[in-house]
Amino acid sequence: SQTIHQWPATLVQPVGSPLSLECTVEGTSNPNLYWYRQAAGRGLQLLFYSVGIGQISSEVPQNLSASRPQDRQFILSSKKLLLSDSGFYLCAWSGDRGSYEQYFGPGTRLTVT
Amino acid sequence: AQSVTQLGSHVSVSEGALVLLRCNYSSSVPPYLFWYVQYPNQGLQLLLKYTTGATLVKGINGFEAEFKKSETSFHLTKPSAHMSDAAEYFCAVKVSQFYFGTGTSLTVIP
Repeated sequence: SQTIHQWPATLVQPVGSPLSLECTVEGTSNPNLYWYRQAAGRGLQLLFYSVGIGQISSEVPQNLSASRPQDRQFILSSKKLLLSDSGFYLCAWSGDRGSYEQYFGPGTRLTVT
Repeated sequence: AQSVTQLGSHVSVSEGALVLLRCNYSSSVPPYLFWYVQYPNQGLQLLLKYTTGATLVKGINGFEAEFKKSETSFHLTKPSAHMSDAAEYFCAVKVSQFYFGTGTSLTVIP
């Protein structure tokens, strides 16, 4: 069966510090991968999605970036965090064909102080 | 353009009462439809999905939803609410990509 992991689970970082959040998927190959952000009491905002290694599409211009160095690894980064980057970050995957739903990881709670 | 509207950002029901969470969508092509549940500080879990075929779909935890093309709706129901149903619920539509509603927070009153 497929599983999706995110780490860390929680993170407290000062403004201006770098960020690296990691997401890995097991039990499937060539998944579509997604990064979402959920601000307090709000819905999901799609940040990035990837259909393959090195292929990243950005949905919202901001100081965040994403990379996919391996088929089942998706990384969210920032060089300098802003207060507005605080939120709950969710990684998700879906099949590349014939499957429609997205499956979500447990999330990372980021607090920028 | 595709969109998803969830009517009511907060819904409260008594334990044992009917749960009805509303979702309407707009799509120029037949969509795939989903309901997800999110418990505090957790990821989203798929409750049920409609792709093709029977318009009444059953999901986990006793939930079901009916796709009504004429009303462009996909409302989520459960006959009898349990305390454990208290959570955030998201409706989603997939056409070329996923579109999520803004969520409905369900409170169950004992």
